[in-house]
Amino acid sequence: AQSVTQLGSHVSVSEGALVLLRCNYSSSVPPYLFWYVQYPNQGLQLLLKYTTGATLVKGINGFEAEFKKSETSFHLTKPSAHMSDAAEYFCAVSGLTQGGSEKLVFGKGTKLTVNP
Amino acid sequence: KAGVTQTPRYLIKTRGQQVTLSCSPISGHRSVSWYQQTPGQGLQFLFEYFSETQRNKGNFPGRFSGRQFSNSRSEMNVSTLELGDSALYLCASRLPGTVTDTQYFGPGTRLTVL
Repeated sequence: AQSVTQLGSHVSVSEGALVLLRCNYSSSVPPYLFWYVQYPNQGLQLLLKYTTGATLVKGINGFEAEFKKSETSFHLTKPSAHMSDAAEYFCAVSGLTQGGSEKLVFGKGTKLTVNP
Repeated sequence: KAGVTQTPRYLIKTRGQQVTLSCSPISGHRSVSWYQQTPGQGLQFLFEYFSETQRNKGNFPGRFSGRQFSNSRSEMNVSTLELGDSALYLCASRLPGTVTDTQYFGPGTRLTVL
């Protein structure tokens, strides 16, 4: 079974400050890990994903995340927040089944507010 | 390349009715998955279809069903609607077994049950 815990349902930062959104996962198989962003009244947009290989993953819009197996974490960071980063962010884990099916298991989400 | 499209975007139904939602995947994508998003339960996996066959299913009652057509378009049906079915229904498409194998989401259909 797989699960995701996102620490902090709401995070508020000032424009230009560091963004850090926390995600811990549980998985009985080697995990694939994802961060998605959702703007109001829209679907989910993929920011980045980790499958195998390099543990520091760079995504779109200046975001990156580091896979730490020993800590079962996949925290999302961005050095300098922009007003347009205000949205809800979802961490997700998956593992392919034998049949090749992929089911994403999501965290509850973190709503990011960026203050001017 | 056009993204995932979902129709309709908004829907209002009453309890006891049934509803059908449609999803058109990215061209060439053969897998379509459906998710339900509610404030209380968050994002939950409903089912995945690949080559017209359901190959994975989440923990939802039998009132929730789906199908996939030969052109990979998918429909989701909910019968005997309940108030708790009010949600944003998202579909995602992917092309399994490729370097770019990732689920890409559509804008969702917001269903309100009165």
